[in-house]
Amino acid sequence: EPEVTQTPSHQVTQMGQEVILRCVPISNHLYFYWYRQILGQKVEFLVSFYNNEISEKSEIFDDQFSVERPDGSNFTLKIRSTKLEDSAMYFCASSVKGAGKNIQYFGAGTRLSVL
Amino acid sequence: GQQLNQSPQSMFIQEGEDVSMNCTSSSIFNTWLWYKQDPGEGPVLLIALYKAGELTSNGRLTAQFGITRKDSFLNISASIPSDVGIYFCAGRTYNTDKLIFGTGTRLQVFP
Repeated sequence: EPEVTQTPSHQVTQMGQEVILRCVPISNHLYFYWYRQILGQKVEFLVSFYNNEISEKSEIFDDQFSVERPDGSNFTLKIRSTKLEDSAMYFCASSVKGAGKNIQYFGAGTRLSVL
Repeated sequence: GQQLNQSPQSMFIQEGEDVSMNCTSSSIFNTWLWYKQDPGEGPVLLIALYKAGELTSNGRLTAQFGITRKDSFLNISASIPSDVGIYFCAGRTYNTDKLIFGTGTRLQVFP
């Protein structure tokens, strides 16, 4: 069964460093998303991406964050200068279509630890 | 912003018992989804609901889209140990792709 894959599974970084989290969405999907989950809390939407541009973003997704689809298979989330409060699980998701019967499939996540 | 309140926050039940959890909001949603999350994993979709009043089953799981479009419930019948995990409802409003997640219900099943 096709699945969303994320690497690395765990990333440890120093405060102020840049990190790139990588995702390979399901191959025929066209819509891509990043969510995050702070330990013990609910999953929160960060950004959605379609047709090589951001379609929607949340208040959390400030200028420190960026997303890119550098090639036909990868979808990345970059945090330019990490803060302690960026420590969380980051989930990538993808869907075949937007709106309507939009089923988002999630990866296993990358745990980001900012020291 | 939009919030989904999920209850109960946690449940401790015996194997074989039925479970019921629900999700409520002050906002109207046009899609309700129920996901399960195991420790260290991402959310896995259990059931998707698209119409007010819709009742959908997936094995021992049954979920309903509330008539007011502001709530949904999930029932699990005859629970088994592998049902342990955190269950999240998620809603989507018209003309957006983002999912709003509930606060989660942590389920523990004892043999």
